[in-house]
Amino acid sequence: DSGVTQTPKHLITATGQRVTLRCSPRSGDLSVYWYQQSLDQGLQFLIQYYNGEERAKGNILERFSAQQFPDLHSELNLSSLELGDSALYFCASSVGYSRREKLFFGSGTQLSVL
Amino acid sequence: GQQLNQSPQSMFIQEGEDVSMNCTSSSIFNTWLWYKQDPGEGPVLLIALYKAGELTSNGRLTAQFGITRKDSFLNISASIPSDVGIYFCAGQLEVGNEKLTFGTGTRLTIIP
Repeated sequence: DSGVTQTPKHLITATGQRVTLRCSPRSGDLSVYWYQQSLDQGLQFLIQYYNGEERAKGNILERFSAQQFPDLHSELNLSSLELGDSALYFCASSVGYSRREKLFFGSGTQLSVL
Repeated sequence: GQQLNQSPQSMFIQEGEDVSMNCTSSSIFNTWLWYKQDPGEGPVLLIALYKAGELTSNGRLTAQFGITRKDSFLNISASIPSDVGIYFCAGQLEVGNEKLTFGTGTRLTIIP
């Protein structure tokens, strides 16, 4: 158990819909990262938050947004869903953001868009 | 998005055999990391490398940061059933922990 909690574990929805994925980081971790894992694209970095502020952005679509709340949990919002958005979405956390800090990954949310 | 080239894509070995896999990039990295992902779980960090030429071990696992800073290698000695899973390399270009670029993965299967 990494200490990072993601909910829900599975999500099935239809095209055009909007969903919210939730992540609770390990106790004491201030950085939260979101990754998308699909069969054809592998693990892709989406976005990072540190202590409530956006710190880095990767290949995140404009239809997707995220935020980190004062209690440090984070939500990833996916809207106008398309079939190609079906993937495993991982949240990871670390204490800070130096390169020597270890990332701890949650078990992921499997999103299926039908 | 950018990905690292990892090979082989999959390996079928017998228990007790040694395993070697590698990761290459067209870009220089400051950090190389190796992760293992079990079914239904997120990646777990196995080994972290921070300097070119560095050789680091974690039990039966040994990884090296290539001298050119464009590649890394992972070896597993005397494989056991719990080694089954997908192994990912990851590289970090920039200072800070963000924007890890992951490899395409090597799926390890142990034949009984």
